[in-house]
Amino acid sequence: GAGVSQSPSNKVTEKGKDVELRCDPISGHTALYWYRQSLGQGLEFLIYFQGNSAPDKSGLPSDRFSAERTGGSVSTLTIQRTQQEDSAVYLCASSSQGPYEQYFGPGTRLTVT
Amino acid sequence: GENVEQHPSTLSVQEGDSAVIKCTYSDSASNYFPWYKQELGKRPQLIIDIRSNVGEKKDQRIAVTLNKTAKHFSLHITETQPEDSAVYFCAATYGQNFVFGPGTRLSVLP
Repeated sequence: GAGVSQSPSNKVTEKGKDVELRCDPISGHTALYWYRQSLGQGLEFLIYFQGNSAPDKSGLPSDRFSAERTGGSVSTLTIQRTQQEDSAVYLCASSSQGPYEQYFGPGTRLTVT
Repeated sequence: GENVEQHPSTLSVQEGDSAVIKCTYSDSASNYFPWYKQELGKRPQLIIDIRSNVGEKKDQRIAVTLNKTAKHFSLHITETQPEDSAVYFCAATYGQNFVFGPGTRLSVLP
């Protein structure tokens, strides 16, 4: 079946603008994760959704970052008032149960000018 | 919280040789340890994983070993090929999350 998809693949925005990044997980996967990967760096956990439970937002770097998951499927990561340090690849991953066997989407490359 | 260290940060081997990457973790409750391969500009791909109830797992040329007492696990790649060149990330569970290691850039020289 289809894997994890993300859109857009690339986003260039001006400093101070808001952006929305979308993730479509694998059908039936109840767990969804957002990560950030700066150039040449590792993966930084941002937020985790599991079913209908309250999300784990412990990795969000500031209150400019928020995420929603509607209907237990599609998720949107919103960054308000973008800053240059927000430039990175934002990766989404899903799994059928908790942290086990996460499958990643292709990422959204965000560039803030 | 969980801390995952990974060594070496870069590794160059000749084609056909073996490569070993080692990770250590701090949370004794961690029970799942995946390895991801990320080629340049691509998404991380799960290549092998191990749960805490086993000490070793093998899949063709790759294997992972786990020492829960010492809190370390290692990725072993045998008969390396140029297409093995990539960045490899280890991870350990921390509650319902992962903590990833910083990555190892493996270069297989023809």
